[in-house]
Amino acid sequence: ETGVTQSPTHLIKTRGQQVTLRCSSQSGHNTVSWYQQALGQGPQFIFQYYREEENGRGNFPPRFSGLQFPNYSSELNVNALELDDSALYLCASSMGLAGLSGELFFGEGSRLTVL
Amino acid sequence: SQQGEEDPQALSIQEGENATMNCSYKTSINNLQWYRQNSGRGLVHLILIRSNEREKHSGRLRVTLDTSKKSSSLLITASRAADTASYFCATCPRMDSSYKLIFGSGTRLLVRP
Repeated sequence: ETGVTQSPTHLIKTRGQQVTLRCSSQSGHNTVSWYQQALGQGPQFIFQYYREEENGRGNFPPRFSGLQFPNYSSELNVNALELDDSALYLCASSMGLAGLSGELFFGEGSRLTVL
Repeated sequence: SQQGEEDPQALSIQEGENATMNCSYKTSINNLQWYRQNSGRGLVHLILIRSNEREKHSGRLRVTLDTSKKSSSLLITASRAADTASYFCATCPRMDSSYKLIFGSGTRLLVRP
């Protein structure tokens, strides 16, 4: 186990609703990266939070937003849900920026279904 | 968009055989990492190779990197049924000051007992 926990593990929403996903990073890690993984695809980078600031963002619209708290846990918020938002959302923590840290530690993901 | 693309998309081999997966990427990188994912769960880090390295070993894993061709390969020797999983390469683009990791589309490996 990596020590990265995500909640909830599964959830079902309807189009237009809003969702908040949570991630508790591994002890000692100050960076959290969020990824969206559609079925059969690779993880797509959403954004990275380093010491409570967004540091790097992928090709996702502004309705995808995030936060990182002083204890380095993080939230991913998605507004105005669309059917295509159905995916596995993965959180990964690292000590320092992802590409410099040498390794990302992933949680088990939150599977979102939008009906 | 994906920075890395794995080839093949799917691979089926017999237990005991070697499995080779390839990754191509588009821009210069700081390092390249390989991860494994069991059936839609979290990814697990396997190995990292830096841009100034050409080959690295870890147990039954061997990774090569050819920066002139912008490609990497992952070799799993003497495969086992437990190696069945999806394998992803991830790159850290050199010109990106955020040092984020970008994942490829993955190779789905099936090792038949």
